[in-house]
Amino acid sequence: AQSVTQPDIHITVSEGASLELRCNYSYGATPYLFWYVQSPGQGLQLLLKYFSGDTLVQGIKGFEAEFKRSQSSFNLRKPSVHWSDAAEYFCAVGVDSWGKLQFGAGTQVVVTP
Amino acid sequence: DTEVTQTPKHLVMGMTNKKSLKCEQHMGHRAMYWYKQKAKKPPELMFVYSYEKLSINESVPSRFSPECPNSSLLNLHLHALQPEDSALYLCASSHGLAGVGGEQFFGPGTRLTVL
Repeated sequence: AQSVTQPDIHITVSEGASLELRCNYSYGATPYLFWYVQSPGQGLQLLLKYFSGDTLVQGIKGFEAEFKRSQSSFNLRKPSVHWSDAAEYFCAVGVDSWGKLQFGAGTQVVVTP
Repeated sequence: DTEVTQTPKHLVMGMTNKKSLKCEQHMGHRAMYWYKQKAKKPPELMFVYSYEKLSINESVPSRFSPECPNSSLLNLHLHALQPEDSALYLCASSHGLAGVGGEQFFGPGTRLTVL
């Protein structure tokens, strides 16, 4: 069965420091991979996506992610975190032709001054 | 217009009430989705409409009734809900289907409280 694992439930990072959020997936074929961000009480905003091609993907708000097939990972990174990056981050995999997304449990990011 | 809108933003209803949630997109997307999200949890898929036809019903109780009047609108009719149905209800749309390259665009959600 397909699954998405985000090992870190909660991460605290200082403003200006780098951030890396981990995502591992279990899926038979090359998946369609997404990172979404959700601020409190808001909907989900797409940060970036990977379908094929270059394994380093650039997204919005200065985020990037790298697809590593050998490690079944799609980790999200940002070189310098801003206070506005405090939010919940979800990794997701497109698992079937009907548009179903398998979400990870999410990682809450707290940014300290 | 790259926005999915949802109304109302907040809704409080009793267990005997009937209410509806509304979702609208004008991006020409042909797939629309309803999700339920509890606090500190990822969204859970409820329904998928593809080309205005119900494609997926994730074993959702019949007290939730979706409707897709046209390609831009998606409704969720609520009747006889239970307090445990209190959650954030998210609507999303995509060009086609995630499995073939269509990322989903989410609305801001409706915060539902069932008393």
